[in-house]
Amino acid sequence: NAGVTQTPKFRVLKTGQSMTLLCAQDMNHEYMYWYRQDPGMGLRLIHYSVGEGTTAKGEVPDGYNVSRLKKQNFLLGLESAAPSQTSVYFCASSYSILAGGRSNQPQHFGDGTRLSIL
Amino acid sequence: DAKTTQPNSMESNEEEPVHLPCNHSTISGTDYIHWYRQLPSQGPEYVIHGLTSNVNNRMASLAIAEDRKSSTLILHRATLRDAAVYYCIPRLKHNFGNEKLTFGTGTRLTIIP
Repeated sequence: NAGVTQTPKFRVLKTGQSMTLLCAQDMNHEYMYWYRQDPGMGLRLIHYSVGEGTTAKGEVPDGYNVSRLKKQNFLLGLESAAPSQTSVYFCASSYSILAGGRSNQPQHFGDGTRLSIL
Repeated sequence: DAKTTQPNSMESNEEEPVHLPCNHSTISGTDYIHWYRQLPSQGPEYVIHGLTSNVNNRMASLAIAEDRKSSTLILHRATLRDAAVYYCIPRLKHNFGNEKLTFGTGTRLTIIP
């Protein structure tokens, strides 16, 4: 079971470079999320999507863009990387809020992308 | 969002039960209590959640105080693999438009062989 797969696992960028982080899930989940985790801190939500073709801002969206062209993929883009974006990025997915008549569907996380920006 | 308070760290001996406390005195009547854990170099992993009554699953048990202002995650027999950061997260029962999980700094659990 692949679950949630993130690529790449590691990347080093120079300030001003752009890149795209890919998240793929094979559980047919409607919802997908991007979080970042800085040292010694909890995860913070960047953007999320409640379905194919839809995205929404989370807690810390500035400097990032996202796209959800296919249900199974959620892309996170950095147009002009800054050192403040050095972090570990986690993707997650879940069933919709009331899947099967149950609320509070748990989120399933990938193993993260470690991004350093010099 | 309801605020939570957890100890920064705890230690436990292998094969003994572990009780991880969480204070959530500002929780609303429609907030579930979720627990996730994060093993080293991995993403968070769902553990359990509950609303009012105690809950059990294959990973752990969740004991919720009668006034719902606190809860305790119980690992019945800790193994080395249970060493992780444990997060207690209140979450709205029907969180339309508020799908995020709000992670605090959690409790770092160390298991002593």
